[in-house]
Amino acid sequence: DAGITQSPRHKVTETGTPVTLRCHQTENHRYMYWYRQDPGHGLRLIHYSYGVKDTDKGEVSDGYSVSRSKTEDFLLTLESATSSQTSVYFCATSETGLGEKLFFGSGTQLSVL
Amino acid sequence: RKEVEQDPGPFNVPEGATVAFNCTYSNSASQSFFWYRQDCRKEPKLLMSVYSSGNEDGRFTAQLNRASQYISLLIRDSKLSDSATYLCVVNMNTGGFKTIFGAGTRLFVKA
Repeated sequence: DAGITQSPRHKVTETGTPVTLRCHQTENHRYMYWYRQDPGHGLRLIHYSYGVKDTDKGEVSDGYSVSRSKTEDFLLTLESATSSQTSVYFCATSETGLGEKLFFGSGTQLSVL
Repeated sequence: RKEVEQDPGPFNVPEGATVAFNCTYSNSASQSFFWYRQDCRKEPKLLMSVYSSGNEDGRFTAQLNRASQYISLLIRDSKLSDSATYLCVVNMNTGGFKTIFGAGTRLFVKA
């Protein structure tokens, strides 16, 4: 399995506070992704990266920003957390192409109260 | 209409049974297709890619039907350990990268 570590694994925060989730990979994969998973929905892409400092928006990017200053790290920031952002967040990487053969981290359960 | 649709199930089958899932997609620009499995409270894991010619990996067979815009997953000789949620994934190039996950099909294999 690809070495993908997400931190924190669980977080509870209050509405209006900024939150940063971290994804760290040891596989030197070029592509990295942030997804959220909610009951009744498939995983939905928030943002993705196709290289250091190269990022783009996914289908549910409002209220989120990302940064990738090193190949191995991809940060997701909720600028001002809202209750609708309560979700499980998964980081993923791929080596061969955008969306190809994704390897996922263990997820972060975020609760916004 | 959702861009990728799956029957949520659950499918309840006995050990040793053969079970098949379908996943339909609406965008003919879809380019690549995958099946993932997700155990309860765990991350998704790639099960197999889906190719136009069909492909097999042990007890698992995946098929793509571009004319009817669906992919399928067939599991033969079901094991208890096959109990999971199966997610189909469709990648599209519609002027930009787009990937859509189905909401998943739950499978329970019982002794």
